[in-house]
Amino acid sequence: KAGVTQTPRYLIKTRGQQVTLSCSPISGHRSVSWYQQTPGQGLQFLFEYFSETQRNKGNFPGRFSGRQFSNSRSEMNVSTLELGDSALYLCASSLVPGASYEQYFGPGTRLTVT
Amino acid sequence: GQQLNQSPQSMFIQEGEDVSMNCTSSSIFNTWLWYKQDPGEGPVLLIALYKAGELTSNGRLTAQFGITRKDSFLNISASIPSDVGIYFCAGEEDSSYKLIFGSGTRLLVRP
Repeated sequence: KAGVTQTPRYLIKTRGQQVTLSCSPISGHRSVSWYQQTPGQGLQFLFEYFSETQRNKGNFPGRFSGRQFSNSRSEMNVSTLELGDSALYLCASSLVPGASYEQYFGPGTRLTVT
Repeated sequence: GQQLNQSPQSMFIQEGEDVSMNCTSSSIFNTWLWYKQDPGEGPVLLIALYKAGELTSNGRLTAQFGITRKDSFLNISASIPSDVGIYFCAGEEDSSYKLIFGSGTRLLVRP
């Protein structure tokens, strides 16, 4: 079974631009969560989607948004990029929300904002 | 917000040594998880703990869920070079299932 895939793997953007990251969950998984990983803050929860609906949201500004499609693929968008948005963005999928024991992470998208 | 304090921040040990790391929280969690992250990869779940006082093993790894439900430790016995990586603890919020992660312990193993 293929794992969680994230595209692109690496991205360089300029301050003020916007970016869209994509996550394809494991086949059959319907819950997708997004995390931001930085050296200073560690892994911070961004949001979770299940059945095309946002179930949970972390403490990030409104510039961070996401959505989920009917095939469970998810995208996250960051508008008006700031230097501090440079991070590794990870998504994780599971069959249903709360199934952390079988939540699998993708390799991440490394975003660099200059 | 909730925070997990994970220690030590880093460890540099000799191959064959045992390793211990722990995680404490100001809040109670009903589920504790331990992950390992290799360079360029996402975290991989090592052990999940669901009951206070529970001790669970996975090969050379042993983890315990503290009796107060505010702490957990992970032990690695007889370390080998492929144990190198960053180890994260995480607590799962009971109502929302959100994962709160510790800051990580970077493990280096000297052959």
